[in-house]
Amino acid sequence: DIQMTQSPSSLSASVGDRVTITCRASQSITKYLNWYQQKPGKAPKLLIYGAFSLQSGVPSRFSGSGSGTDFTLTISSLRPEDFATYYCQQSYSTPWTFGQGTKVEIK
Amino acid sequence: EVQLVESGGGLVQPGGSLRLSCAGSGFTFSSYWMHWVRQAPGKGLVWVSRINSDGYSTSYADSVKGRFTISRDNAKNTLYLQMNSLRAEDTAVYYCARDTGYNTCDYWGQGTLVTVSS
Repeated sequence: DIQMTQSPSSLSASVGDRVTITCRASQSITKYLNWYQQKPGKAPKLLIYGAFSLQSGVPSRFSGSGSGTDFTLTISSLRPEDFATYYCQQSYSTPWTFGQGTKVEIK
Repeated sequence: EVQLVESGGGLVQPGGSLRLSCAGSGFTFSSYWMHWVRQAPGKGLVWVSRINSDGYSTSYADSVKGRFTISRDNAKNTLYLQMNSLRAEDTAVYYCARDTGYNTCDYWGQGTLVTVSS
């Protein structure tokens, strides 16, 4: 199975900060990397698919980059509604696997 | 509006069985692959299974292979997960999700909680 490792596991940031979350795959997954946002008690929400494509309706302050094994999710200017847990997920091969999550908290 | 609504969760004893359902609406259900993803309390997301649009191709995580069966009834716009030989470690919220066709899931249900305990 392909292992996905996110860093950091958690971070504290202020409104307006630029936030970067990284995700590393244990082998090349080309561009088959997705990012989800999850708030407590809610289902995950798709933010980015195919490493860099913004899902319809998702604000442009979210962006994704990377290919192969190393990927990044960037929030250009953090807003109050962005405090949540973020997961990367590879869909290169089954079983699909998720990173362990990055919890973004208010500083 | 696309909607996915799970049902069928509850408390079951170890070794027991449960069948989850996921009713889809607001889209052509029969055209989409579907997935089940679970999340144990306080833990991360774990992919469980997927089924193609006509129901003839399935895939499972090793942890559930041989115990869980994914299926669908396109006439009823419903996805199923039959769970047998349940273990304590199967305790989780189970989400169904729609595959976009681009190797990602764009719509998710609200989840249904399965608790395996004596």
